[in-house]
Amino acid sequence: KAGVTQTPRYLIKTRGQQVTLSCSPISGHRSVSWYQQTPGQGLQFLFEYFSETQRNKGNFPGRFSGRQFSNSRSEMNVSTLELGDSALYLCASSLEGRYQETQYFGPGTRLLVL
Amino acid sequence: DAKTTQPTSMDCAEGRAANLPCNHSTISGNEYVYWYRQIHSQGPQYIIHGLKNNETNEMASLIITEDRKSSTLILPHATLRDTAVYYCIVRPLNTPLVFGKGTRLSVIA
Repeated sequence: KAGVTQTPRYLIKTRGQQVTLSCSPISGHRSVSWYQQTPGQGLQFLFEYFSETQRNKGNFPGRFSGRQFSNSRSEMNVSTLELGDSALYLCASSLEGRYQETQYFGPGTRLLVL
Repeated sequence: DAKTTQPTSMDCAEGRAANLPCNHSTISGNEYVYWYRQIHSQGPQYIIHGLKNNETNEMASLIITEDRKSSTLILPHATLRDTAVYYCIVRPLNTPLVFGKGTRLSVIA
């Protein structure tokens, strides 16, 4: 099976702009989670989607949002970009996101905000 | 917050076993221990997980103490490609993964 794919892999934006990142989960996986990784804060959970509904949310401002489509693909959006949003954004998928299912990560999208 | 304590860094000679310790003294009965690793700037890679029994797969072995307050990840024959940050995660049911700072393992030729 193909793994989790994320597009684009690299992105440069300027402050105030918005950005949309895309994630395609492993075939058959219906749960998609997003994480942000920065040198200062490490890997932090953003949110999780299952069946087109947000099921869990981390401690991030409302500028960070996401959605999931009927084919389980997911997008996340960051509006009014700040310099501190520069990070590696990681997507992970699992079958249903329940119990102790393993999450598999994609390669990430590296966002640089200038 | 992460519920685990890991050494900041470790070295291992190529070809030798790498033993990575993790303390999780406040683990609850239904919480699993997960190990992931992250090779520089790539997405984390799942290694193994367990509840209370020792587990082994093609990548590694996981040894969990009887009281479940600590565990050890064993890479039996470390190679240079095993150089990475290794994360030990205690995960309650139906919750996201919470990553700590992990252990930076350097495999030396």
